[in-house]
Amino acid sequence: EADIYQTPRYLVIGTGKKITLECSQTMGHDKMYWYQQDPGMELHLIHYSYGVNSTEKGDLSSESTVSRIRTEHFPLTLESARPSHTSQYLCASSETGGEYTEAFFGQGTRLTVV
Amino acid sequence: ILNVEQSPQSLHVQEGDSTNFTCSFPSSNFYALHWYRWETAKSPEALFVMTLNGDEKKKGRISATLNTKEGYSYLYIKGSQPEDSATYLCADAGTYKYIFGTGTRLKVLA
Repeated sequence: EADIYQTPRYLVIGTGKKITLECSQTMGHDKMYWYQQDPGMELHLIHYSYGVNSTEKGDLSSESTVSRIRTEHFPLTLESARPSHTSQYLCASSETGGEYTEAFFGQGTRLTVV
Repeated sequence: ILNVEQSPQSLHVQEGDSTNFTCSFPSSNFYALHWYRWETAKSPEALFVMTLNGDEKKKGRISATLNTKEGYSYLYIKGSQPEDSATYLCADAGTYKYIFGTGTRLKVLA
């Protein structure tokens, strides 16, 4: 069982609201990732982190921001939610040298902006 | 191949049938190829991490092969069972990120 947790699992929120999606892992992994997935589409990397105080933008442009103040915590924030942000967001982590080790995923947050 | 491509997108098989899917990936700058199984309402879970050309890995009824020179990997399921129903994702794993395909959605009919 993977020790990576996302909250909330489901969120329906109005346009213009600020939201934070939480992601925590207890495995001590340095690398963490946020992926976005629209129905029928592939997982797109939107943010990643090599470790504390490291954040990088992924391949898919996103209006969200992330922070990495603690190793175990990698929250994603949308300052003003819009219907175009409706999607599933998956958090993952891996050990350094992660290309040779598996990624561990949370269960995802399904966000709906109305 | 510039992206990770998986085929077929979906398939239905009868219980007991064997099946296989394909993952194509860029063959240049290869580091590793990952396979994940993603069951509905659960997290994706790793099946295999494959790094060497000619690799063949097996876990129970599921096995995978890797050809890094031509940029493809096959996933095989022998004697499919209803509990094998899931989306199977492959990912081209680089130094700092994983590039995923769209997955193959498998439904095993009892």
